[in-house]
Parts: sequence; structure tokens; C-alpha cells
Amino acid sequence: DGGITQSPKYLFRKEGQNVTLSCEQNLNHDAMYWYRQDPGQGLRLIYYSQIVNDFQKGDIAEGYSVSREKKESFPLTVTSAQKNPTAFYLCASNSKWANGELFFGEGSRLTVL
Amino acid sequence: SQQGEEDPQALSIQEGENATMNCSYKTSINNLQWYRQNSGRGLVHLILIRSNEREKHSGRLRVTLDTSKKSSSLLITASRAADTASYFCATGPDTGRRALTFGSGTRLQVQP
Repeated sequence: DGGITQSPKYLFRKEGQNVTLSCEQNLNHDAMYWYRQDPGQGLRLIYYSQIVNDFQKGDIAEGYSVSREKKESFPLTVTSAQKNPTAFYLCASNSKWANGELFFGEGSRLTVL
Repeated sequence: SQQGEEDPQALSIQEGENATMNCSYKTSINNLQWYRQNSGRGLVHLILIRSNEREKHSGRLRVTLDTSKKSSSLLITASRAADTASYFCATGPDTGRRALTFGSGTRLQVQP
């Protein structure tokens, strides 16, 4: 079945460590996105990519990094520079980089110990 | 920045009643979308309404859009316990950044 796969679902990290969250899609979508969700809050845009080898910062990019080497993959690295990384991270994609319907993965919950 | 603000933040109703959620936004848009999120899960797209549309229906869902007031509403008719979830509006801008901006969400509890 087509969809977006995020892994791991749960991740624990010690302070000072970098972690990478995986996002893979087999929907042949051009655009991919990373959002962060804090408890009881809406989604905030971290990074997005419209085509391979290109990406743009969102509203809260500080302390995060991404790459887009393949159309299917858009990994997110949470670096030690991110001061408050504990959150629920959601990856999404769509076929129209302008304004089309987003397809979401099931999310990755990161907890910093 | 969060474009959309939703009202109410939380809503509790009985099964069979209608649920109405409202969304306000700040800048001009190309379209407005509504999503549903079950606890701890990803979001699922419900409906999209374009800026030149005023009303749209999909099953038990009815969405309205008033671009002059920069607001939208989502009506769920004849609610069911399975409708219990958080609902988010998201706006697609007509210029500039090519990504949706989400509101803060409404948590809907439908009591059986």
C-alpha cells in the first residue's frame, strides 16, 4: 500500500546527542514536510522540500537539519542545538508543492532524558 | 507563526448532536483545509475548500468559508463516538511560502 512511513515511533535521547528521524514515502510525491507538535498544540513547520536536493526553512528551523537526496526520503536530524526537542514530529507529503492535500505519517515521539 | 486560530479549544457533546468548530486566519489564502487527528496519530485530510468557494459538503461534513471575515467553520452532523478526535484547520497561502499553516485545533469529545 502507498503511504508515508516514519521511524522510529518512539525515541529517547540524552541531552547533547543528535538524533535522526526517518521519513519515507512511496506516493511519488514531489514535496515533503516536517512539522513539530507539542502537547495540546497545533503543528509548526520545521522544514519543507519541493524537489530533490532543495529545501527551505520553516518557522522553527533552528536546531534542526534535513536532507533531500532522494525523492522518497526526507530525514530530519534533531541536533544538540535544539533547546527543547521533546515533541511529536510529523512528516507529510503532497503531489502539488503549492497547496494540495497533505498525507501524513504516523509520527515519531522524541523524548529527551 | 500560526495562521489559524480555532474556537472552541475543546467541545464535548452527546452522540447524535451536531458539532461546530470555527477557524479564523490572518492573511489571504488559496484554500483552506480541515484535518482530523486521533490521539497520538498522524493527521488525516477531511476536506478542502478553495478561496472562491463558499460552502462544501462531504458526507456528514459541511464546511463554509467567508474570505471577507477570514473565517471558516466545520460542521459535523449527527456525531458519533468515533468522531472523538482533534480537528485542525490549515491554510494554503496564495503567495509566498509553499506550505500549509495549521491552527491550534479543537478537541472534540463525543459522549456515547
